Amino acid sequence: EAGVVQSPRYKIIEKKQPVAFWCNPISGHNTLYWYRQNLGQGPELLIRYENEEAVDDSQLPKDRFSAERLKGVDSTLKIQPAELGDSAVYLCASSLRDREINEQFFGPGTRLTVL
Amino acid sequence: AQSVSQHNHHVILSEAASLELGCNYSYGGTVNLFWYVQYPGQHLQLLLKYFSGDPLVKGIKGFEAEFIKSKFSFNLRKPSVQWSDTAEYFCAVKATDSWGKLQFGAGTQVVVTP
Repeated sequence: EAGVVQSPRYKIIEKKQPVAFWCNPISGHNTLYWYRQNLGQGPELLIRYENEEAVDDSQLPKDRFSAERLKGVDSTLKIQPAELGDSAVYLCASSLRDREINEQFFGPGTRLTVL
Repeated sequence: AQSVSQHNHHVILSEAASLELGCNYSYGGTVNLFWYVQYPGQHLQLLLKYFSGDPLVKGIKGFEAEFIKSKFSFNLRKPSVQWSDTAEYFCAVKATDSWGKLQFGAGTQVVVTP
């Protein structure tokens, strides 16, 4: 069974540039999560989707971050414009319905460096 | 809101030594508890989890954790570590009410020397 797929694995951009990350969850997983992991810290939830609906985006900085999950399968997270402080690893995870407390499976992450 | 505290940021120990990583959380309600591990160059994966029942849970690769409700703790243990246990370990907590999100600790980097 294929795991959570993310691309790109690494991205280096200059500040004020836009950037996008893509995630394909495990087949059949309704719930998709985007996390940000700063250096020396644990992952922090940015947004959670149940199918195509964003049910928890309270931690997403909406002035520059946006996300979508069209058709309830793969998802894109965008930053525009990027700032120096956005340098981090962006993780995608998926699970069966979140309400039923299912294990979250994580992708390898995208390491973003903003110069 | 819940928070998770991991006691050590870095642990260095020799093979065959015993390992115990501390994890405390702050939340007054019912929680589910997890330990995740990230081996070098790999993605986060679940080591073990506690939902209910026996507070001593066993996970993969000989790891176990004990939930002590009165102490709000969920410490991870392994009696005898191997070099391959070198990794970063994350404790995580999820409130069971409604749509509680998974809250991670800062992680503990464990280095096992041969």
